[in-house]
Amino acid sequence: DAGVTQSPTHLIKTRGQHVTLRCSPISGHKSVSWYQQVLGQGPQFIFQYYEKEERGRGNFPDRFSARQFPNYSSELNVNALLLGDSALYLCASSLPRTGGLGTQYFGPGTRLLVL
Amino acid sequence: GENVEQHPSTLSVQEGDSAVIKCTYSDSASNYFPWYKQELGKGPQLIIDIRSNVGEKKDQRIAVTLNKTAKHFSLHITETQPEDSAVYFCAANSGYALNFGKGTSLLVTP
Repeated sequence: DAGVTQSPTHLIKTRGQHVTLRCSPISGHKSVSWYQQVLGQGPQFIFQYYEKEERGRGNFPDRFSARQFPNYSSELNVNALLLGDSALYLCASSLPRTGGLGTQYFGPGTRLLVL
Repeated sequence: GENVEQHPSTLSVQEGDSAVIKCTYSDSASNYFPWYKQELGKGPQLIIDIRSNVGEKKDQRIAVTLNKTAKHFSLHITETQPEDSAVYFCAANSGYALNFGKGTSLLVTP
């Protein structure tokens, strides 16, 4: 079975531009989470979506937004890019779990470079 | 946000030796503790996880222990092999988010 897929794999943008990153979850998974991983650090939580509804949001500015589609794929949008937005953006999918967080499976990430 | 502390930041062992990585967390409501292995240029790969209703879990050469009272959990890799070389991350959940440690760079030398 295919794992989590993300596109594009790499992206170069300039300051002030907008970017859209895409994620397709594992088949049957209805929850998608987004994380930002700066070089040399652990991933930082941005959003979680389940059944097209936002269930959680990390400490990121309003320039970051996301949505989930009826087929459970997801987009992460970042407006007014800053140099500090350069990072690996990771998508994770999971099955729902009563009373806790489902096991998160990560994709390969999209590496964004802002110049 | 809630913190996850991870030690050591780097670890070098000889092939066949054991490696131990330790983490502490601050959110007393955390009940899910996964460990991920990340190789250069790749996304994190889940290697083992434990939930708060058990104290220990083992999968072949990998084991994880959890002490909820002390709020710490550890990863144990036995009989290390060069292909175990990678960055390892611990994490603990806070609600629907995973909070990650800063990672341990493990080097296994032949």
